[in-house]
Formats: sequence, C-alpha cells, structure tokens
Amino acid sequence: DQQVKQNSPSLSVQEGRISILNCDYTNSMFDYFLWYKKYPAEGPTFLISISSIKDKNEDGRFTVFLNKSAKHLSLHIVPSQPGDSAVYFCAARGYGGSQGNLIFGKGTKLSVKP
Amino acid sequence: DAGVIQSPRHEVTEMGQEVTLRCKPISGHNSLFWYRQTMMRGLELLIYFNNNVPIDDSGMPEDRFSAKMPNASFSTLKIQPSEPRDSAVYFCASSRRGVGGGTEAFFGQGTRLTVV
Repeated sequence: DQQVKQNSPSLSVQEGRISILNCDYTNSMFDYFLWYKKYPAEGPTFLISISSIKDKNEDGRFTVFLNKSAKHLSLHIVPSQPGDSAVYFCAARGYGGSQGNLIFGKGTKLSVKP
Repeated sequence: DAGVIQSPRHEVTEMGQEVTLRCKPISGHNSLFWYRQTMMRGLELLIYFNNNVPIDDSGMPEDRFSAKMPNASFSTLKIQPSEPRDSAVYFCASSRRGVGGGTEAFFGQGTRLTVV
C-alpha cells in the first residue's frame, strides 16, 4: 500500500514552459513534504520542502504547493530548462515513532526539450 | 564535508554469496537511512537508525537482510545469502534530527548490486 503516490511516471515539456509534477499522499498525519531530484548514477539531491502549516514555498524557479484537504502537492518549475531533466521524487516525513524517516513516491521522469 | 560515502559503488556477486554494503554518514548527523531503488517499487525505505539505534526496520524484506550501526560514523547492510531478486541500487542517507523531527536527508551515490 503506497502512502506517497506519483501517478505520472514521465513528463515531457518544452524549454521555457512550465513543468508541473504532482504527488498525492494518503496519511493526513504527514507533517513535512520534500522534493528530490535524481540524475542517472547519482543519489537523490534535496530540492525544496514545505511544512504542513504552509500552502506554498518558493525558491527561485521552483515552487511547491500543498493542498492538505486534497492530500496533494505539486512542484512547479518555471521556466523549465534542459538541465532540469531528471527523475523527481516526492517524499513525506513519517510521524510518531517513525518521525524523521522519509517515505518516497516512485518518481516522475521529467524531460525538458530544447 | 565529503557528504555521505558509500562503498562499493558497484558489486557483482554470485547467488548464495554474502554481500556487505558500507556507509559513512555526514559528520554530526544522527539519523541514518538505508533505501533500495528498483524499477518496480521506486525508493523503498529498508531501515532507519536514530543515534545508532534501529527505529524502524519494517522495510527489511527478509531475514536474509540485516543492518548494523556500531557507531555514529559507520553502518553496514548485509545480505546473506544473496539472490538475483536483490539486484538493485542501494542508497544510504543521513540527516540531522532537530527539535520536532528530522530535516532533509542527504544521500550517498549508491551501490549498484547485481546478483547473478
């Protein structure tokens, strides 16, 4: 049973346009959400995060939106660049006895075409 | 800081052999995670340590898998005996657990394990 779901395995976007990556979660007790980016043959690297007390966090070209009532978050990249091509993982932080661990979705492969 | 260091980067072994993966977390981090990445299941959490103590090992698939953290600067993940279905990329990550919970985790470059 997947607690963090990324339903789109891949996304293709033209350079300069907006990329929107989506993520859904099932557990309303998650209190912190993160996005990671992964290039081939490398480990995932932290990109941006958001606390459950906020609905938006922005860092340069990257913005994460959180809709708690829908248990949905999204990552917007604008404008998209070819160097953004990578696999993006959504993650949620566990709670209670597992507070601190991260539960990941399966990832979405983003391709930004020049 | 050198980041999270994993060794080896690649491991090819025969079915039935013992495999040991190693991880050195970032100095000062007191949470350590082992993840496995496969095409089918994405990034799965295998086990999570806090202050060298295993907190959640519910993701460890079978008794063939074991993990230890004898001190704050070293952890191992052992598979004995290994099977072809264990072939995957294994990641180690560490984070600094602050007040109220953890911060983002930093990942190593992974160990690509192939069991033939």
